[in-house]
Amino acid sequence: EVQLVESGGGLVQPGGSLRLSCAASGFTFSSYWMSWVRQAPGKGLEWVANIKQDGSEKYYVDSVKGRFTISRDNAKNSLYLQMNSLRAEDTAVYYCARSGFYPRSPFDYWGQGTLVTVSS
Amino acid sequence: SYVLTQPPSVSVAPGQTARITCGGNNIGSKSVHWYQQKPGQAPVLVVYDDSDRPSGIPERFSGSNSGNTATLTISRVEAGDEADYYCQVWDSSSDLPYVFGTGTKVTVL
Repeated sequence: EVQLVESGGGLVQPGGSLRLSCAASGFTFSSYWMSWVRQAPGKGLEWVANIKQDGSEKYYVDSVKGRFTISRDNAKNSLYLQMNSLRAEDTAVYYCARSGFYPRSPFDYWGQGTLVTVSS
Repeated sequence: SYVLTQPPSVSVAPGQTARITCGGNNIGSKSVHWYQQKPGQAPVLVVYDDSDRPSGIPERFSGSNSGNTATLTISRVEAGDEADYYCQVWDSSSDLPYVFGTGTKVTVL
């Protein structure tokens, strides 16, 4: 059974940092593109970043470029999102999502999400 | 960046058919995916590549895509289908490669 379990969310002050983790199981993690998708309270879905199977390609939405860094450790079956210089508008539930073998693949499995709240 | 427009809400009686549209410029040339999200839960993929269903998704869920509109159709609607639905495309030529629609709240009367 495919499972994605996020952790690391919480309350942080503006300008602060947070590192999200996503533990994957039930599939060959190293074979899939992986993404982070967020959802602000009461709002729609927004793709944040993704990473290729071997970590050689990474892409970001413009609003987080230079502040967020996506990474993965295939030996630990884990995906990460380092978030720096956080802003109030980064407040959201952050989902870890599996794509496929290609970047155009749909997000076929999602974690339960972890809430990040940026507030003083 | 590419924009996907959905109606904010659709209401349907049990047993009837719900149709949710997703509008985008020449969306028919792209592959469209659809997600269902119930309150407090993560999204679930219900249709991918315009009209294919993942394993475990009922045949009542179907999709089509042509011209400037993609459509998710839910036949024989059940109370459990009440949720938010999002369309999504991959636009390789855009600075925002993954675009979600604005979302549609389906209410079962």
